[in-house]
Amino acid sequence: AQKVTQAQTEISVVEKEDVTLDCVYETRDTTYYLFWYKQPPSGELVFLIRRNSFDEQNEISGRYSWNFQKSTSSFNFTITASQVVDSAVYFCALTSNNAGNMLTFGGGTRLMVKP
Amino acid sequence: DAGITQSPRHKVTETGTPVTLRCHQTENHRYMYWYRQDPGHGLRLIHYSYGVKDTDKGEVSDGYSVSRSKTEDFLLTLESATSSQTSVYFCATQGRKGGDTEAFFGQGTRLTVV
Repeated sequence: AQKVTQAQTEISVVEKEDVTLDCVYETRDTTYYLFWYKQPPSGELVFLIRRNSFDEQNEISGRYSWNFQKSTSSFNFTITASQVVDSAVYFCALTSNNAGNMLTFGGGTRLMVKP
Repeated sequence: DAGITQSPRHKVTETGTPVTLRCHQTENHRYMYWYRQDPGHGLRLIHYSYGVKDTDKGEVSDGYSVSRSKTEDFLLTLESATSSQTSVYFCATQGRKGGDTEAFFGQGTRLTVV
């Protein structure tokens, strides 16, 4: 069975602060894929990043960066210099070749960025 | 973005009535999914389809059925709605299986069962 844990249910920061959203996963498969999605107040789900288990390189995209560490089964997401527009619920998700195409989502972290 | 349209976007229904939600895609994606979103649970898979007339159960399939008679349409039916099925329902599609590509999501349908 697969599992994704996002221990932080809510985080509140002041604009321009850096913030890290934690994601810890469990899977028995050696080939798996990790995702982050953003759900803004409007409700849609926006894809942010996909990472496979063989690629442990960290990724940076503008103010967003992701730290993938297989040794700790974590795929953490950092927003640098947060902005009010970053306020949203963020989901980490996992699938694998043996998971029947099923994405397993974490419970989500609600990020509130205050001006 | 994948062209995914869910209908209706909002619905209020009474306990015991059947309800059908529709997902329509214009991307010719083979794989389609229905998820429900509830506070604290993230999104959980209800049913999915890997082709026309090919469907399978997900994590929380009890009380739900699906049908896919055309590539572009995936219907979710609540056979006899209950208050526990009050939720936000999301349809998703993928062009390739598993993690080979990301899943694209529709706008969601907010269903309230009273």
